[in-house]
Amino acid sequence: EVQLVESGGVLVQPGRSMKLSCAASGFTFSSFPMAWVRQAPTKGLEWVATISTSGGSTYYRDSVKGRFTISRDNAKSTLYLQMDSLRSEDTATYYCTTGALYFDYWGQGVMVTVSS
Amino acid sequence: DIQMTQSPASLSASLGETVTIECRASEDIYNGLAWYQQKPGKSPQLLIYNANSLHTGVPSRFSGSGSGTQYSLKINSLQSEDVASYFCQQYYNYWTFGGGTKLELK
Repeated sequence: EVQLVESGGVLVQPGRSMKLSCAASGFTFSSFPMAWVRQAPTKGLEWVATISTSGGSTYYRDSVKGRFTISRDNAKSTLYLQMDSLRSEDTATYYCTTGALYFDYWGQGVMVTVSS
Repeated sequence: DIQMTQSPASLSASLGETVTIECRASEDIYNGLAWYQQKPGKSPQLLIYNANSLHTGVPSRFSGSGSGTQYSLKINSLQSEDVASYFCQQYYNYWTFGGGTKLELK
């Protein structure tokens, strides 16, 4: 059974940093591109970033480019999202997902609140 | 950037009814479209990919169709467990979601 378990969410002040993790199990992690998708409270879904199987290729939405870094450790079957210079508009539930095109499987999500 | 416009934003239907949700892309996305279901307080789940392919384990009352810029999700014989929000997503050029449709029971 595919399992994706996010961690690291917390309340953080604007301008500070935070790192999210996603522990994967139940599938061959190194064979799957991975992504982060977020959802602001009572809002829709928004793609954030995608990473290739090796980690050699990464893609970001414009609003997080230069501030967020997606990475992965295939030996640990773990996906990461380093978030720097956080803004209030980054407040959302962040989901870890599998897939390069559509998103097959999703974690339970982790809440990130950016507020002073 | 490709924009995805979903309609209606909300929908109320009766048990057993057939429901259709529409999604329009700002340009041709060549069937690079997926549909997701998100129940209250839960993570989204993939229903349909490649515009009309049913994801593993999804009931056959769900179906997808369309081409070019116009796509739709149909739910036949609405069940109580279908109460949820539904989102379309294009993956032809990067990744963009529609605004969502909240489906409630009448």
